[in-house]
Amino acid sequence: RKEVEQDPGPFNVPEGATVAFNCTYSNSASQSFFWYRQDCRKEPKLLMSVYSSGNEDGRFTAQLNRASQYISLLIRDSKLSDSATYLCVVGGNNDMRFGAGTRLTVKP
Amino acid sequence: NAGVTQTPKFRILKIGQSMTLQCAQDMNHNYMYWYRQDPGMGLKLIYYSVGAGITDKGEVPNGYNVSRSTTEDFPLRLELAAPSQTSVYFCASSYSGRGKDTQYFGPGTRLTVL
Repeated sequence: RKEVEQDPGPFNVPEGATVAFNCTYSNSASQSFFWYRQDCRKEPKLLMSVYSSGNEDGRFTAQLNRASQYISLLIRDSKLSDSATYLCVVGGNNDMRFGAGTRLTVKP
Repeated sequence: NAGVTQTPKFRILKIGQSMTLQCAQDMNHNYMYWYRQDPGMGLKLIYYSVGAGITDKGEVPNGYNVSRSTTEDFPLRLELAAPSQTSVYFCASSYSGRGKDTQYFGPGTRLTVL
C-alpha cells in the first residue's frame, strides 16, 4: 500500500463546477498535512496547509479526518487557471511524503 | 529574494557520465532536500541536509552523493549515470523540520540519460 494515495484522475470539469479531491495516508503518526499545486513542467507550490478543524481559503476548502486518515480538497467555482496537478503531502516527525497527484483540467 | 534556484534546467547525459546539479537558496533555511519525480509517481526524497556540514540519506540515495559546505548551497552529484536516473530533479528548502514546515521548491532540472 502506498503511504499517500490519491485518485490520479484526470478530472475534467467545466468552468464554474465544484470538484473534490481525496487523499488517504497510511501512517497514523502523521502530524502535518498540506495540499500543493503543480503546474505542467513546473515545481510544486504550497496551496494550503490542512488543519484538524478544517480550513478555507477563498474557493478552496481543505478538511482532515484523522480517524479515517483521510484528507480532502474542495474547489468551488472552478476557473480555467485552476488546471494543474494537486499533490497531497503528509508530514511526520522526520519525514514528508508526497502523493502522486490528481490532475485537474477545467474547460471553458 | 530569488528563493530556490537550480542549474542546469535541462541536461542529457550518456551512460557512465557524471554531473553535478546545483541548488542554492537565499532564505537562510537550515533544511534542504533533493527529490526526484518520475511520471505518475510522487516525489521521492534522495538526500536531505539539516544544516551546513550535515547530510543524510532519503528513500532513494543509491547512485547519488551530496555535500553541504554552506547554508546556501546543496549540490547533488550523479556518478556513473544510468538510464534509471532519467527524471526531473527538484531541490527544496524549509525553515524547520522535515515533516513540519512548508517546503519551497526550485524550478527543477530535467535529466535524460541515454
